[in-house]
Amino acid sequence: QQPVQSPQAVILREGEDAVINCSSSKALYSVHWYRQKHGEAPVFLMILLKGGEQKGHEKISASFNEKKQQSSLYLTASQLSYSGTYFCGTRRGNNRLAFGKGNQVVVIP
Amino acid sequence: EAQVTQNPRYLITVTGKKLTVTCSQNMNHEYMSWYRQDPGLGLRQIYYSMNVEVTDKGDVPEGYKVSRKEKRNFPLILESPSPNQTSLYFCASSLYGLAGPTDTQYFGPGTRLTVL
Repeated sequence: QQPVQSPQAVILREGEDAVINCSSSKALYSVHWYRQKHGEAPVFLMILLKGGEQKGHEKISASFNEKKQQSSLYLTASQLSYSGTYFCGTRRGNNRLAFGKGNQVVVIP
Repeated sequence: EAQVTQNPRYLITVTGKKLTVTCSQNMNHEYMSWYRQDPGLGLRQIYYSMNVEVTDKGDVPEGYKVSRKEKRNFPLILESPSPNQTSLYFCASSLYGLAGPTDTQYFGPGTRLTVL
């Protein structure tokens, strides 16, 4: 079952912050975040495991709230290179990964 | 260079004509997987493999077959393609699976398939 990502699209100016969310109705073991630029393959950002951890990649960080079955990705002081579609993938105890439909992020100068 | 390669990159075919999309990785990864990507639907997992001779269904396996006879190769087979299998296909691999904190999936460049 696909996780739900919100908002569908975000437009922000360089230097602004944004939060995008990923939620599931099922209990999760881990959440995986990927970014895909137009015409390219998805690129790994980070994995968050059970335990409510936070992680960072450049100025992008994420949190995982396993009680709420929700993960949030924080884009801080956004750069033009952050533009792309962000996908969360949720793992529920086996080695299958269910991706959401994506959050499109556009950073403008 | 560590990479996942897919061939062909683009393919136009007709309904019912069997085809194979190859996937190969040179990182000695145990886990390999196939995804399809359609506009508005995100990435959906077709099949995955934990190791040689071990394969399992993902969320959308109907109409597809896979095999894992060698560790480095994981071909996707469409025995009788139909227009609803027109899509962008990605192969991916990771070292051991998806369970650990460092289980990064590396994606191939994608194969754009059109079935007429």
